[in-house]
Amino acid sequence: DTGVSQDPRHKITKRGQNVTFRCDPISEHNRLYWYRQTLGQGPEFLTYFQNEAQLEKSRLLSDRFSAERPKGSFSTLEIQRTEQGDSAMYLCASTTGQGTDTQYFGPGTRLTVL
Amino acid sequence: RKEVEQDPGPFNVPEGATVAFNCTYSNSASQSFFWYRQDCRKEPKLLMSVYSSGNEDGRFTAQLNRASQYISLLIRDSKLSDSATYLCVVIYTGGFKTIFGAGTRLFVKA
Repeated sequence: DTGVSQDPRHKITKRGQNVTFRCDPISEHNRLYWYRQTLGQGPEFLTYFQNEAQLEKSRLLSDRFSAERPKGSFSTLEIQRTEQGDSAMYLCASTTGQGTDTQYFGPGTRLTVL
Repeated sequence: RKEVEQDPGPFNVPEGATVAFNCTYSNSASQSFFWYRQDCRKEPKLLMSVYSSGNEDGRFTAQLNRASQYISLLIRDSKLSDSATYLCVVIYTGGFKTIFGAGTRLFVKA
C-alpha cells in the first residue's frame, strides 16, 4: 500500500500519560499536515511541515503538543500529560507540495483518554 | 463566527433527487477551495476542487463566488452511495493553513 499510513490506529491511555503517534506520508510527498477531528466536526488544522521544517502551527497546538519531521519523511505527534479533552481522531495528510494540491489522508489514530 | 461555515444538515433525500450544499468563508485572503467527502469512520477524500468558473464532474457541480465568499456543491441524480459527510475546505493565501467546515451529512434513501 503506497498511501499515507498512521500508527497506531487506536490508542487508549490514562489521563496524564504521554502518547506519540507516527505518520508515514506518501513517498516523495514533501508537505505533511496534522489535524484533529472530534465527533460531528470537520478536521481542525494543527500544523504542517514542508520537508523537515515546521512552517505553521495552530493555536490549538498547546505546549503539551509537539510535532517533528526530523528527516523530512515520517512525522511524529506527541501529546504530553494527556487530558480527557484530547480524545479525538488525529489525522495526517500529505501532498506533493506543488501549489495547493490534493491532500491525501491517512486512516487516522483514534485516541481515547480515560 | 467560524472561518468556514456549512449548512448543518442532515439532508435526507430520496434516490434520484438533486441536493445542494452551501458553504461560506470569512477570510477574503482565501486562495483555494475544495469539497471533500468523508464516509463514517473513514478519512476524508477529495471530491473536487472548486474554481471561479465553476466546474463539473459527472453528477457533481461546484461553484465559487469570491465576491460573496460562498461555495456550493450540487449533486444531481443522488445515489445511495452518495450518503456521506461533505466537507467544505479553504486554504489561505500565502501559506497552506487548511480550514475545514464542520461538514454536512447526507443520507440518500431508497
